[in-house]
Amino acid sequence: RKEVEQDPGPFNVPEGATVAFNCTYSNSASQSFFWYRQDCRKEPKLLMSVYSSGNEDGRFTAQLNRASQYISLLIRDSKLSDSATYLCVVNPGGGFKTIFGAGTRLFVKA
Amino acid sequence: DAGITQSPRHKVTETGTPVTLRCHQTENHRYMYWYRQDPGHGLRLIHYSYGVKDTDKGEVSDGYSVSRSKTEDFLLTLESATSSQTSVYFCATRLGSNQPQHFGDGTRLSIL
Repeated sequence: RKEVEQDPGPFNVPEGATVAFNCTYSNSASQSFFWYRQDCRKEPKLLMSVYSSGNEDGRFTAQLNRASQYISLLIRDSKLSDSATYLCVVNPGGGFKTIFGAGTRLFVKA
Repeated sequence: DAGITQSPRHKVTETGTPVTLRCHQTENHRYMYWYRQDPGHGLRLIHYSYGVKDTDKGEVSDGYSVSRSKTEDFLLTLESATSSQTSVYFCATRLGSNQPQHFGDGTRLSIL
């Protein structure tokens, strides 16, 4: 089993749609969680951290479920500019290690 | 992002030549990483550093070496480049163990 697994893509949605991505992680001791966005041929960029209480940033909402060991990202009112690959990222806790999911590709169409 | 500069941004070289990529950060982050990313693959960790002169191997370290003589600089060296090392290389830094990583713009390396 992979340490971090994401929904297989691609997701093709129309503008204005709501889309949700899920990600599961295997290490129950994992301590910090993030969503990144990566545009084609560009570096990954931090989209948001994920907290136990859930957090929201504009059209984006991230949630963490420690009991079930998954995190989610909800994008409301999708824009063409949201088209990208979304990476789920987990720090297992202590030390150097960071685990990147393989990414889920999102295409938002007019 | 986070004051990370990679150089060069693009390089084309020939098989068998040595190549050094540089990552420079201005944020005084403790951890530094080198990744490669290829089509059909996610980010793969080559080497990482957890302090000056403290480095260790990642999952795809064969054919690569690193050095970190100063907090701000992390060098990746291909001693004798091969075509299989054609890739996009990203440097990343992280302040602490529960913090997110921040990435440089990447270096596109082509080995002919």
